[in-house]
Amino acid sequence: ETGVTQTPRHLVMGMTNKKSLKCEQHLGHNAMYWYKQSAKKPLELMFVYNFKEQTENNSVPSRFSPECPNSSHLFLHLHTLQPEDSALYLCASSQDRLARVGTGELFFGEGSRLTVL
Amino acid sequence: AQSVTQLDSHVSVSEGTPVLLRCNYSSSYSPSLFWYVQHPNKGLQLLLKYTSAATLVKGINGFEAEFKKSETSFHLTKPSAHMSDAAEYFCVVSERLGGNNRKLIWGLGTSLAVNP
Repeated sequence: ETGVTQTPRHLVMGMTNKKSLKCEQHLGHNAMYWYKQSAKKPLELMFVYNFKEQTENNSVPSRFSPECPNSSHLFLHLHTLQPEDSALYLCASSQDRLARVGTGELFFGEGSRLTVL
Repeated sequence: AQSVTQLDSHVSVSEGTPVLLRCNYSSSYSPSLFWYVQHPNKGLQLLLKYTSAATLVKGINGFEAEFKKSETSFHLTKPSAHMSDAAEYFCVVSERLGGNNRKLIWGLGTSLAVNP
């Protein structure tokens, strides 16, 4: 496989469920990101990891819990979500974390479409 | 603060005709500007970027964009649309917060439809 792979592609969960989104990059990059894409809103940067260390948390509610065991894998653990959390969650990677500010290219996965009932 | 405005939420063209997707930005500094494309059920992909070099930037798949400082615009164009160009297009500006701090500001996107 090449690029950035996200699983599952679709997820439906109740507000009391616990689930996880997984992201894997095969590009040898050092930085990984979680973004939230909602209709009629700009793309929102949630978390940034650089060399598996979290370097940025953009005021994301604690019901979203990221985990980065190594530079190739990134998880987003979900629990007690709200219906307004329904969105497309995109994982991205880049050679270094400066891509989040425009220096360098971001490489995105196809996203996990989350629906919270 | 910097911002980016994509002037059209939907654009529809016929195959073989030119494409114009408009983007205006507000900036107090010399910005870096980008266009990303998102095909249906796919991730976003960088089309092209402007970072203070040549004002006419060429990207992938025949797209190009021209940075016009006097008009604060960075419109995306393509001479001849192809069916495979149907996608969502995002204009992005790199905002300078102070010192060396920056962040990316994403537009709301323009949906391009290409009719046979």
